[in-house]
Amino acid sequence: DTAVSQTPKYLVTQMGNDKSIKCEQNLGHDTMYWYKQDSKKFLKIMFSYNNKELIINETVPNRFSPKSPDKAHLNLHINSLELGDSAVYFCASSQQVREKLFFGSGTQLSVL
Amino acid sequence: GQNIDQPTEMTATEGAIVQINCTYQTSGFNGLFWYQQHAGEAPTFLSYNVLDGLEEKGRFSSFLSRSKGYSYLLLKELQMKDSASYLCAVSRTGGFKTIFGAGTRLFVKA
Repeated sequence: DTAVSQTPKYLVTQMGNDKSIKCEQNLGHDTMYWYKQDSKKFLKIMFSYNNKELIINETVPNRFSPKSPDKAHLNLHINSLELGDSAVYFCASSQQVREKLFFGSGTQLSVL
Repeated sequence: GQNIDQPTEMTATEGAIVQINCTYQTSGFNGLFWYQQHAGEAPTFLSYNVLDGLEEKGRFSSFLSRSKGYSYLLLKELQMKDSASYLCAVSRTGGFKTIFGAGTRLFVKA
């Protein structure tokens, strides 16, 4: 029943490791996003895909690589994790670009 | 560029009315969203304004003035469960992203 689901919910890892976060939506939406929410709760867009094509790529280190195997999935892979990557990462989707966002429950990433 | 400003924190009393303001500066304005985010949870959609004026939805209303770059979210008959962060967000006509303000943390006290 969950509209936008992302896994894992918590991710604790060591500096230098590589990790992935998965996201799936069953709403039939065309557009999916990754947002990062830092300790000050500021929600910042990282990437957006529309029909599997990358349409937004903000100033994000190239250690972050999104992958969209199909319209319903958008995964985020992070290489060589750093302390500053610790944050909550939210996946979201919308029917079309610029429409209201449906968020996943978030992945709290802690890099030690 | 874009700039979205809203107060960091507000406190109000149960049963009262509170108004959370948001000012923005952007080129090619398309619409303004309000989202609610409880601690440890995902943001959820509250309202969307494209045209000037007030949109009412139950206890929550949202107002927009495009000429002034100003919006507010009005919460009536406050309940303890309304304690949350309220995020103002702007979408532009050019580009594909919704930009969020830093959010206003609302504390509702008994």
